This record gives sequence, structure tokens and C-alpha cells, in this order.
Amino acid sequence: DGGITQSPKYLFRKEGQNVTLSCEQNLNHDAMYWYRQDPGQGLRLIYYSQIVNDFQKGDIAEGYSVSREKKESFPLTVTSAQKNPTAFYLCASSLTRLGQGLREQYFGPGTRLTVT
Amino acid sequence: QKEVEQNSGPLSVPEGAIASLNCTYSDRGSQSFFWYRQYSGKSPELIMFIYSNGDKEDGRFTAQLNKASQYVSLLIRDSQPSDSATYLCAVNVPKDGSYQLTFGKGTKLSVIP
Repeated sequence: DGGITQSPKYLFRKEGQNVTLSCEQNLNHDAMYWYRQDPGQGLRLIYYSQIVNDFQKGDIAEGYSVSREKKESFPLTVTSAQKNPTAFYLCASSLTRLGQGLREQYFGPGTRLTVT
Repeated sequence: QKEVEQNSGPLSVPEGAIASLNCTYSDRGSQSFFWYRQYSGKSPELIMFIYSNGDKEDGRFTAQLNKASQYVSLLIRDSQPSDSATYLCAVNVPKDGSYQLTFGKGTKLSVIP
């Protein structure tokens, strides 16, 4: 089955701990994205990557870090510097290539992170 | 001015009726427009995308785009209770030499049996 997987589905952490969310895709998509969704809010872009070993900050990158060592994988680390980490985190991918505009994005099932 | 605006709803329609969901955007440089459906507790699912002015039909769904008015809409014909969900409008917006997808906050649709 082709698709995007995110793990775990639910994650609980204590305040002050870093946590890494997994995102893997087997769609052969070039671009990958991380969004955050809070109740009553639209999706907000955290980081995105259009090619391996390159990524850019989105609108709310503070307190987060990413890596893109493989085309299939784009893990997100929520650091202790993120002030309000409790949210629904969504990974997406698309066929977008540099300079070719924006194609449709497909989402993984999401990870719901709760930090207490 | 917010980049992508949607009426938050809830929008209630009877089963079998046409549901009309609307979205306006502020950046005239936007070129691609998307509609996602999101069930409660689930991730967004792409249902339509449109790039050119006019209508695009796919089954019971029709996307309409009017770039002059900066307006995009989604019509759902013969609405079913299973269509009850939040519908997200997304628009690609030029930013920092590339494009980013900007989402509205979504319109909650309720189809009444």
C-alpha cells in the first residue's frame, strides 16, 4: 500500500522532554511538510523540505527541529523550547519540485501529542 | 487581512440537498486551490483541487474558481450524512520565492437525515 505513515498515533510526554515524531512515505514524493493543528485553528506550517538534506522554516518553526536524510523520511523533534507543544501534528507530502509550483498535498493519519 | 477565509459554520443541510461551501483568499498570486475533508479526530483528506477559472466536477462534488473575485467554492450535491465533516479550503500562496499552502480554519458541515 502506498501512503504516509506517522507514529505513534498518541504520545504523552512530561514538560521539559524532547520528543521525536516519525513520518514516512512510500509515494516517491519529493516534498514533505509538517503542520500543527489546534482546536478551532487552521493548519499551521512548521517546517517543509523539497529535497533531501534541505529544509525550510514555516510560520511557526520556533521550538521544533527536523531532518531530511532520506527521501522517504522527515522526522520532527518537538523540543523543550516549544512553549505550547500539545497539539495534533500532521505530516504531508507532495510531488512538488523546486520551481514547479505547488501540487496537491496528501496527509498522514497524524500524531496527537499531549505534554503535561 | 487573513489570507484564506471561510465561514466557520456550522452549516446544516437536509439529506439530499446541495451544500455550498465558500472560501475567499487575499493573494492574487495564488495559482492552486484545494478542498480537504476532515472528520473529527482524523487527518485531512483531499477531495478536490482546481487550477483554472470555472467549474470542475468529480462525482457529487463541484469546485468553482473565480480568480477575479478571489473566490473558490465547493458544492456537494445529494448530501449524505456521511458528508458531515469539516471542510478545509487551502490556497497556495507565494512566499519567499516559492509557494506554501495556506489553510482556512474550515467550515463544519452537518447533513441532517
